Amino acid sequence: QVQLQESGPGLVKPSETLSLTCIVSGGSISHYYRSWIRQPPGKGLEWIVYMHYSGSTNYNPSLKSRVTISVDTSKNQFSLKLSSVTAADTAVYYCAVTDLLTGNVYWGQGTLVTVSS
Amino acid sequence: NFMLTQPLSVSESPGKTISISCTGISGSIASSYVQWFQQRPGSAPTTVIYEDNRRPSGVPDRFSGSIDSSSNSASLTISGLKTEDEADYYCQSYDNDNWVFGGGTKLTVL
Repeated sequence: QVQLQESGPGLVKPSETLSLTCIVSGGSISHYYRSWIRQPPGKGLEWIVYMHYSGSTNYNPSLKSRVTISVDTSKNQFSLKLSSVTAADTAVYYCAVTDLLTGNVYWGQGTLVTVSS
Repeated sequence: NFMLTQPLSVSESPGKTISISCTGISGSIASSYVQWFQQRPGSAPTTVIYEDNRRPSGVPDRFSGSIDSSSNSASLTISGLKTEDEADYYCQSYDNDNWVFGGGTKLTVL
């Protein structure tokens, strides 16, 4: 069974860069599409970015200028960077993978990132 | 841009059957697969339906998904409702490979 675990700082200062990593276990990351999704407190899910297994990437247009996604296949993990953060970026951040063979979607447990000085 | 709309809340009694709708706006719901995610309070989302009507292993067959092209909507149907089904449910599809989420529906089982 695929398991995902997000890691990264829980507190980021305004104007700095938020950096998170998602470690994938139970399956090769090469077999999955990779995504990041966030959920502001008390609100719904917001998609951030999606990376095809080939490496091509799709971004939420409202966040595209600030988002970078990367993958490290040797460590079976992928990462998110969100630059120039403000309080509006405070949210629980989830990583998710879509199995390219079955279409099933697996989620991480999420990590709360607070943007505050 | 393609959008998905869901009712804010629904409620039903234990043992009954309920359907949650997810309507496509500015595009065809049948153009891309629809997924349904369950999010219990304080927990991460989990997948209950993927590719319109497929259930992950471990999800009870009380959960089913369907597409109705005539109303341009997807539906998640839960039969034999249990109190443990009380959660927020989100539909998700694609707009040119961009993920699109519905706003979520709060299911109350009372």
